[in-house]
Amino acid sequence: GAVVSQHPSWVICKSGTSVKIECRSLDFQATTMFWYRQFPKQSLMLMATSNEGSKATYEQGVEKDKFLINHASLTLSTLTVTSAHPEDSSFYICSASPTGLYEKLFFGSGTQLSVL
Amino acid sequence: SQQGEEDPQALSIQEGENATMNCSYKTSINNLQWYRQNSGRGLVHLILIRSNEREKHSGRLRVTLDTSKKSSSLLITASRAADTASYFCATDARETSGSRLTFGEGTQLTVNP
Repeated sequence: GAVVSQHPSWVICKSGTSVKIECRSLDFQATTMFWYRQFPKQSLMLMATSNEGSKATYEQGVEKDKFLINHASLTLSTLTVTSAHPEDSSFYICSASPTGLYEKLFFGSGTQLSVL
Repeated sequence: SQQGEEDPQALSIQEGENATMNCSYKTSINNLQWYRQNSGRGLVHLILIRSNEREKHSGRLRVTLDTSKKSSSLLITASRAADTASYFCATDARETSGSRLTFGEGTQLTVNP
């Protein structure tokens, strides 16, 4: 099956610093990727839809200046958490679909962010 | 309430038993999908059932869909300890077709050896 690679798997940073998370589709092109946030024992909350070559579409309540998304190529999307604070600590997951449809998403392995 | 509510929230069974998880949703859908998540990992797609389908099988998995009741169930037969994970349903809502999948709250399944 299709593979989505996400790095890093975990990151610890100091409050006020920025953290970049990468999401790559290894064996298919993804015009659209999705970024989710997940708190312990909770569901996935869609943060934004990343579109190659255009601006990301953010969900209501998600600060676009806080969570910068760049989808510069058909295989790479990045999420940068700017000026991170402890409340940004969470599990971030990306996903993409080889077909461009929303029928069978392939997920990265997730990034656990801990902000001290 | 959120689209894609699941019950039970947690389920603990013995190896060899069957596990049934349910998902309810509110709006019309194009399809409903089930995903599995091991602790601290990404999700893995298990099965998709379209709105015009009533039942689907894949190995030890059986999914049903009742659009009149806006509900779906996932049955795992002859469970194994390796099936221990969280299971999420996800709906592709007709009103927002092509825009997103909405995930349910998930069921934490524990299969005891």
